[in-house]
Amino acid sequence: DTGVSQNPRHKITKRGQNVTFRCDPISEHNRLYWYRQTLGQGPEFLTYFQNEAQLEKSRLLSDRFSAERPKGSFSTLEIQRTEQGDSAMYLCASSPFGGGSSYEQYFGPGTRLTVT
Amino acid sequence: DAKTTQPTSMDCAEGRAANLPCNHSTISGNEYVYWYRQIHSQGPQYIIHGLKNNETNEMASLIITEDRKSSTLILPHATLRDTAVYYCIPQEGNEKLTFGTGTRLTIIP
Repeated sequence: DTGVSQNPRHKITKRGQNVTFRCDPISEHNRLYWYRQTLGQGPEFLTYFQNEAQLEKSRLLSDRFSAERPKGSFSTLEIQRTEQGDSAMYLCASSPFGGGSSYEQYFGPGTRLTVT
Repeated sequence: DAKTTQPTSMDCAEGRAANLPCNHSTISGNEYVYWYRQIHSQGPQYIIHGLKNNETNEMASLIITEDRKSSTLILPHATLRDTAVYYCIPQEGNEKLTFGTGTRLTIIP
């Protein structure tokens, strides 16, 4: 399968613990996005990378959140000192950039985080 | 970002055409209209996009009004697997997607 993959698919953690999620984009895609989705709402943008550079961060991304894409391939999203309000689906997407390509984003299946 | 207005929910009989409207009256000249859908418990899926001409692909057709203030996504022969939330999103280039609450389409057997 050459789509976007995310691991783990589900994570249950206790309040105050740190968690890390991984996203593997489609291999030739330069751009990688993270979104968060709570029940009944559309996904909300968190941050995106072009290759290894983090180009934009949403105000939703508090100091407890950090994202990296060290070699311009996979990305990780870490949440420190989790709170119950962090419970959500975390979605990763990738897209090509430049060269006349179209800009649709391809989403992974998401990581569902439950903070107890 | 352009604001969008979509019906909260719609029903469509299986085998019939599903027509999903979207108003985007503040869309800028450089913004394309993208449509995505999200089937329950899955990530969003790209469907189609257009700038000012009507577009068709293997999944759907997109009709954009001449003034570009609204568009309609058409699923020509809806199946049960088309039950999903459909999002209309103006987008310029590779920028982030701004999702609204979309239209929850239910296909009735």
